[in-house]
Amino acid sequence: EIVLTQSPGTLSLSPGERATLSCTVSQSISSTYLAWYQHKPGQAPRLLIHGASSRAPGIPDRFNVGGSGTDFTLTISRLEPEDSAVYYCQHFGGPRTFGQGTKVEIK
Amino acid sequence: QVQLVQSGGEVKKPGASVKVSCKAYGYTFTTFGVSWVRQAPGQGLEWMGWISGYTGDIRYAQTFKGRVTMTTETSTSTAYLELRSLRSDDTAKYFCARGGRYFDWPPDDFWGQGTLVTVSS
Repeated sequence: EIVLTQSPGTLSLSPGERATLSCTVSQSISSTYLAWYQHKPGQAPRLLIHGASSRAPGIPDRFNVGGSGTDFTLTISRLEPEDSAVYYCQHFGGPRTFGQGTKVEIK
Repeated sequence: QVQLVQSGGEVKKPGASVKVSCKAYGYTFTTFGVSWVRQAPGQGLEWMGWISGYTGDIRYAQTFKGRVTMTTETSTSTAYLELRSLRSDDTAKYFCARGGRYFDWPPDDFWGQGTLVTVSS
């Protein structure tokens, strides 16, 4: 089973700053099968990006991904208050697995 | 527009079963699949399985095999999740999400609002 490990557990940043979230995979995977979700309390998870750069409809270009093999990142440039959420990476090229999440707090 | 509408919250006793429904609107149900994901209180997201509305293929997470059944009713564009032999640690919000017609593509893009299942004696 593929295991995804996210870091850090919590990020506390100010509006306008840049957030870099990490997702480390237990074995090499194609970036094609990696997705990132945003989850706010009381809401359904929201697909942000999958693959190398496929943003879901309505997702601003402040959200970008990078990485390959076993190390992937989600970068949120110019943080806004509404970006406060838990972010999950997910491998979906087989049995889906999620990372444990990174909580982004906006000061 | 695409919407997934789930059934209401449930309270069950340990050992009982629960069946959650997920009705799809705004797209052709049989050309996609449905994934089920749960979130226990204070925990992260846990994938439970997937069913194709196109091929009927079903995949369950190993954790739930033998205790879960996923079905679809194409005439009403509805997917169902049944979980049996409930335990207190099955208390969670259960989400359905639109997935691919095939197991590994594309990712789950639209999600239901979630159904809270509480297991308590």
